[in-house]
Amino acid sequence: DAKTTQPNSMESNEEEPVHLPCNHSTISGTDYIHWYRQLPSQGPEYVIHGLTSNVNNRMASLAIAEDRKSSTLILHRATLRDAAVYYCILRGAGANSKLTFGKGITLSVRP
Amino acid sequence: DAGVTQSPTHLIKTRGQHVTLRCSPISGHKSVSWYQQVLGQGPQFIFQYYEKEERGRGNFPDRFSARQFPNYSSELNVNALLLGDSALYLCASSLAGRVVDTQYFGPGTRLTVL
Repeated sequence: DAKTTQPNSMESNEEEPVHLPCNHSTISGTDYIHWYRQLPSQGPEYVIHGLTSNVNNRMASLAIAEDRKSSTLILHRATLRDAAVYYCILRGAGANSKLTFGKGITLSVRP
Repeated sequence: DAGVTQSPTHLIKTRGQHVTLRCSPISGHKSVSWYQQVLGQGPQFIFQYYEKEERGRGNFPDRFSARQFPNYSSELNVNALLLGDSALYLCASSLAGRVVDTQYFGPGTRLTVL
């Protein structure tokens, strides 16, 4: 499985934008970039996914580099509820499209 | 709509015992996956089932087994428990387990092995 690299942690202020980076230099042409987050004492939660183009949904935006070797998850206005571990995951096509989690990045949000 | 449910919430076992964990997927979802999350680490893939067939298996010993029932619910069984099996066991369901299908996770079962 292609691997992702994320910083261990990041801090942000409430109501400010947050940019969470992810490097995936060995990504293959058919790998989708998925982001999940895990709030304390909960199971992971889907955030967003994309293949080549930037994506937006009600939770976040995903900016994908032109060479697809990196991507950035953007939270437009961080809230205290956004404090969580964010996982950047490459997910290949195939019968078994498992999620391969790394350690993720721990986001802290200051009031 | 009900999300993914798992039972029990917490479980304490001793070494050598056997445990069965249960998962009910979201209605309409035919694929179930199991993950193990050790404290401080990300979840690790154990099994994926789709339409009662095993689609994938992670790097776990044969002590771990699972099955999926006709109603798409699933059980994870672990035999001969070791201290290192202490973890949060997560179940996730999706429509068909494809790469574009979102996986929805349950709250997990916290297993403690003494």
